Amino acid sequence: AQSVTQPDIHITVSEGASLELRCNYSYGATPYLFWYVQSPGQGLQLLLKYFSGDTLVQGIKGFEAEFKRSQSSFNLRKPSVHWSDAAEYFCAVGGGNDMRFGAGTRLTVKP
Amino acid sequence: ETGVTQTPRHLVMGMTNKKSLKCEQHLGHNAMYWYKQSAKKPLELMFVYNFKEQTENNSVPSRFSPECPNSSHLFLHLHTLQPEDSALYLCASSQDRDFAPDTQYFGPGTRLTVL
Repeated sequence: AQSVTQPDIHITVSEGASLELRCNYSYGATPYLFWYVQSPGQGLQLLLKYFSGDTLVQGIKGFEAEFKRSQSSFNLRKPSVHWSDAAEYFCAVGGGNDMRFGAGTRLTVKP
Repeated sequence: ETGVTQTPRHLVMGMTNKKSLKCEQHLGHNAMYWYKQSAKKPLELMFVYNFKEQTENNSVPSRFSPECPNSSHLFLHLHTLQPEDSALYLCASSQDRDFAPDTQYFGPGTRLTVL
């Protein structure tokens, strides 16, 4: 069965610092991978997705993620964090009625 | 309106009430989903509709009753809920294609509080 693990429940970074959020997955075939962001009281917004091809994918708001099959990882990165990036981030694998979400990583941004 | 909309955004109800949550997608998708998001728990998929047919029911209690009259609208009818049903209920839609991945797009959610 497929599953997603986000090892970090909460991360705090200073504004302007770089960010990396970890995601590890378990999946029997080539995974479809997603990162979503959720601001307080809001739904999930798609940041980026990987289906195939180039393993480094670019998303909205300056985010990128790299698919590493050997490590079963799909980590999210941003070179310089802005205060508005404070939110909850969810990694997901699969699609349709077989979508599995991680438990989320809450990002706090210090001024 | 664009994307996926949900109404109401907030709902407080007693355990004996009957209420309904509404979701509408303006993306031309053919699949719609209800998720439950509780504090400190991963998203739980509740129901899936594909071309108006229910294709997934993840052992959801019968006090939750979905309805999908067409591919753009999805309802979640609630009756005799329990306090542990308090959560954020999220609706999503996607364009389901055989043998191809699809991306789910989410609405803003309905924050439900059961007293």
